Amino acid sequence: GAGVSQSPRYKVAKRGQDVALRCDPISGHVSLFWYQQALGQGPEFLTYFQNEAQLDKSGLPSDRFFAERPEGSVSTLKIQRTQQEDSAVYLCASSTNRDTEAFFGQGTRLTVV
Amino acid sequence: AQSVSQHNHHVILSEAASLELGCNYSYGGTVNLFWYVQYPGQHLQLLLKYFSGDPLVKGIKGFEAEFIKSKFSFNLRKPSVQWSDTAEYFCAVTRMDSSYKLIFGSGTRLLVRP
Repeated sequence: GAGVSQSPRYKVAKRGQDVALRCDPISGHVSLFWYQQALGQGPEFLTYFQNEAQLDKSGLPSDRFFAERPEGSVSTLKIQRTQQEDSAVYLCASSTNRDTEAFFGQGTRLTVV
Repeated sequence: AQSVSQHNHHVILSEAASLELGCNYSYGGTVNLFWYVQYPGQHLQLLLKYFSGDPLVKGIKGFEAEFIKSKFSFNLRKPSVQWSDTAEYFCAVTRMDSSYKLIFGSGTRLLVRP
């Protein structure tokens, strides 16, 4: 596709449920990023991939959060045992390399009830 | 900890009014600076960026921003806003030692009245 695609666009999860959020980056983009945007706040960095290698996961808030990009293309952000404070928009971005413009997807809005 | 501050959370203007949105950052080293815009229902898009050189940067749609190093500021300006500029605007920085990691401000919601 022409841009970064994220699915689902909306997800409602019951507290304690596991969720998986998908990101399809722009074809050929080596770098992929995940951000979390809480209501009324700016996006906050979660993790960064260069191809399939996860080079920085310093922003993941707890060990319940896990991200992977096994073939260096599609990425999945998994949240285990979701809690209310996980409610946010999760943004994925990709770029040709780490220092070039990042293109963002529309995000997945996660609501934990 | 490094932070990015956007002082105006909500701004309401009439069409043709001039716009200035403030952005200050707290990091003392070399930074790259960005303004992103999110139109209603759309994804974040890059408006303009500053890496080095002329501190007055021109972006798309008539926007510009000025980097003032002594003030740690990167304010966004537009001489005459249009209704279509209604959006949320985010200032962001990256540090040279982690140049891939965007650090965002909390955003400014701009409403332009026709």
